[in-house]
Amino acid sequence: DIQMTQSPSSLSASVGDRVTITCRASQSISSSLNWYQQKPGKAPKFLIYAASSLQTGVPSRFSGSASGTDFTLTISSLQPEDFATYYCQQSYSIPRTFGQGTKLEIK
Amino acid sequence: EVQLVESGGDLVQPGGSLRLSCAASGFTFSRHWMTWVRQAPGKGLEWVANIKQDGSEKYYMDSVKGRFTISRDNAKSSMYLQMNSLRAEDTAVYYCVREWDYGPAYFDYWGQGTLVTVSS
Repeated sequence: DIQMTQSPSSLSASVGDRVTITCRASQSISSSLNWYQQKPGKAPKFLIYAASSLQTGVPSRFSGSASGTDFTLTISSLQPEDFATYYCQQSYSIPRTFGQGTKLEIK
Repeated sequence: EVQLVESGGDLVQPGGSLRLSCAASGFTFSRHWMTWVRQAPGKGLEWVANIKQDGSEKYYMDSVKGRFTISRDNAKSSMYLQMNSLRAEDTAVYYCVREWDYGPAYFDYWGQGTLVTVSS
């Protein structure tokens, strides 16, 4: 199985900050990497697919990139509604696997 | 509008069984892989199982193999998860998820989840 490792596990930031979350795959997954946002008590929301393509309706302050087996989610200017937990997920092979999550908290 | 509505979650004793259902609407159900993802209280997301459009392929996470069975009824636009020999570690919210796999694959629609609690 492909292991996905996110860092950091938690992050404190302020409104307006630029933040980056990293996800590393245990083997090559090409660009088969997706990002999700989850708020407490809610189902995850799909944000980015194929490492860098924004789902329709997702604000442009979100972006994704890839370098080998390392992937990043960047939020260019944090808004109050962005404080949530973020998960990466590989769709290269079955079983589909998620990172352990990064909780983004208000500083 | 795409909707996925789970049902069947409950409190069950260890060793017991439960059947979860997912009713889909707003899209052509038979054209999509479908997936169950779970989330234990305070924990992260965990892929459980998925099933191909026609039900001919099914895959499971190791810890549920032989205990859980995924199925679907395309005529009813529904997916199911039969869970047997339940353990405390199966306690979680179970989400029904549509997988888009025409090109890059991703989980684009999620249900609201149904809670399964395994406890005596």
